[in-house]
Amino acid sequence: DVKVTQSSRYLVKRTGEKVFLECVQDMDHENMFWYRQDPGLGLRLIYFSYDVKMKEKGDIPEGYSVSREKKERFSLILESASTNQTSMYLCASSPRQVGTRSHEQYFGPGTRLTVT
Amino acid sequence: QKEVEQNSGPLSVPEGAIASLNCTYSDRGSQSFFWYRQYSGKSPELIMFIYSNGDKEDGRFTAQLNKASQYVSLLIRDSQPSDSATYLCAVGAPGYSTLTFGKGTMLLVSP
Repeated sequence: DVKVTQSSRYLVKRTGEKVFLECVQDMDHENMFWYRQDPGLGLRLIYFSYDVKMKEKGDIPEGYSVSREKKERFSLILESASTNQTSMYLCASSPRQVGTRSHEQYFGPGTRLTVT
Repeated sequence: QKEVEQNSGPLSVPEGAIASLNCTYSDRGSQSFFWYRQYSGKSPELIMFIYSNGDKEDGRFTAQLNKASQYVSLLIRDSQPSDSATYLCAVGAPGYSTLTFGKGTMLLVSP
């Protein structure tokens, strides 16, 4: 069974604070992803990584950075949190794509971040 | 820009009925199709995937794919109140590790 865990279920931070969200997967997956999910906007990809130390911008990378020092761990960093970053943050992982087929993604439980 | 479209709903069905959820996608080269279920306040959970045209059945769930029409659907037979959730359609294209997600359809199953 794929297990993706996230460091916190709920987090409250103040404007301007540096925020770290951590994600760990135990299935030796190459790909890891960070999304945010907001009502009416659906899932939006922030960053993804296809290998250790590799990262690619998603659709909304502004205000975020990521770190992947180990294969199983992918961190999302909010350098200076703002109120418009209040959201549900979801981490996911998937095996590396083989041939033409993309693989399914498995999600962690999510972190509901509130920035006040 | 790849797009995945779903009716936001809510789709209301009585207990025991068949629920039909639909999804269209814009990238004709897409090859991988996934359905996720998301309960309120929870994260998405994978329930079905399909790669080839036709039907794929798993218990009460059937995924249907028509690549010519760029259309994928999910049928839920004998719907239960516990099936009440938002269902997300996701599509993958060759050469991409990422998936494009629709915004989801809310399903309400009434006892």
